[in-house]
Amino acid sequence: GQQVMQIPQYQHVQEGEDFTTYCNSSTTLSNIQWYKQRPGGHPVFLIQLVKSGEVKKQKRLTFQFGEAKKNSSLHITATQTTDVGTYFCAGPAAGANNLFFGTGTRLTVIP
Amino acid sequence: ETGVTQTPRHLVMGMTNKKSLKCEQHLGHNAMYWYKQSAKKPLELMFVYSLEERVENNSVPSRFSPECPNSSHLFLHLHTLQPEDSALYLCASSPSGGKNIQYFGAGTRLSVL
Repeated sequence: GQQVMQIPQYQHVQEGEDFTTYCNSSTTLSNIQWYKQRPGGHPVFLIQLVKSGEVKKQKRLTFQFGEAKKNSSLHITATQTTDVGTYFCAGPAAGANNLFFGTGTRLTVIP
Repeated sequence: ETGVTQTPRHLVMGMTNKKSLKCEQHLGHNAMYWYKQSAKKPLELMFVYSLEERVENNSVPSRFSPECPNSSHLFLHLHTLQPEDSALYLCASSPSGGKNIQYFGAGTRLSVL
């Protein structure tokens, strides 16, 4: 079955440092979505990428979708304590109708 | 406020109890989902309803029984659960089909004693 893995599983950074999480799917995805879950909260949609090689930015966050549409990354520049949480990627396999969520990367930002 | 409301927020039950989780969405969406989130595990899709019909059942034990009376409401009926069923149960909705962006409720934190 489809698997979506994320690395690293955990990341601790000093406030102001950059952070990157990588998402890898065992199958080609028709789109990739990113969600953020704050501690004690629920997943909240951040962004969706559809095109091969697409790059999107949201303030300090940069999202990329790989050329083969099997991997993606989220990069945060100059982390802040408000960035704390678990970041999930999710995507449907081509032709599938359901999202498969990645294993998540838990980010801790040390003030 | 995401437009998806789950009740109760917390639930403690014994293994012989019967309880129900409720989810209501005010977004006009056609698809609703139940997910299970355990510590150190990815989100597990349990059930998918599209236009009130169940379209996905991911090998979930029969002690979990979903019900979707209309496109705005989704229930998860629980009976004779096991301690390993303790988890955060999340409801989500999307405009149509699982490929679309999903809007999650705050979840029900379930503890089975």
